[in-house]
Amino acid sequence: QKEVEQDPGPLSVPEGAIVSLNCTYSNSAFQYFMWYRQYSRKGPELLMYTYSSGNKEDGRFTAQVDKSSKYISLFIRDSQPSDSATYLCASRFGRGYQKVTFGTGTKLQVIP
Amino acid sequence: NAGVTQTPKFQVLKTGQSMTLQCAQDMNHEYMSWYRQDPGMGLRLIHYSVGAGITDQGEVPNGYNVSRSTTEDFPLRLLSAAPSQTSVYFCASRRQVFNNSPLHFGNGTRLTVT
Repeated sequence: QKEVEQDPGPLSVPEGAIVSLNCTYSNSAFQYFMWYRQYSRKGPELLMYTYSSGNKEDGRFTAQVDKSSKYISLFIRDSQPSDSATYLCASRFGRGYQKVTFGTGTKLQVIP
Repeated sequence: NAGVTQTPKFQVLKTGQSMTLQCAQDMNHEYMSWYRQDPGMGLRLIHYSVGAGITDQGEVPNGYNVSRSTTEDFPLRLLSAAPSQTSVYFCASRRQVFNNSPLHFGNGTRLTVT
């Protein structure tokens, strides 16, 4: 079983829709949770970063972590064609530990 | 600033050949790492370094060597290429070892081994 599981998609939505991207993880020791966005033929770039449970909002993006159910979510409001990319969730242990464990990514297409 | 620069962008090797993937960062980052990305497998850590002269293995280190003689450079060597090493390779760096700064990725090297 992978430590971080993610539905590969692809997910196709019309412009302006609310997008929900989800991951589950198996290791309860994970404390930091991240979402990376990867455009085609590019490296991943950090989109959102949260510690432990709760919500974090940044513009149209909201990251949510529920540690009781080991569930990580990313919501995109008013989705734009420029949001079309692969979204990778990632987790790591506490401060001082190096390894980041990535999900396999969900490919999102926003249709104009 | 250029960020994390990887060369070459594309490479085709024959089985048994060796090569070095180059990675350089100009952000004075302490931590550097190599990942490979394969369909259905996600990003997997090959090797990482927490500073010049210090390297360690990730989860898939077999068939790869690394060294870190300077803060800026972290080359990845394939000793004897195998078709199973066909992948997209990403170099990533982070400002400091023990903090929550994000990973900065290069744009990858796409390697095919025939």
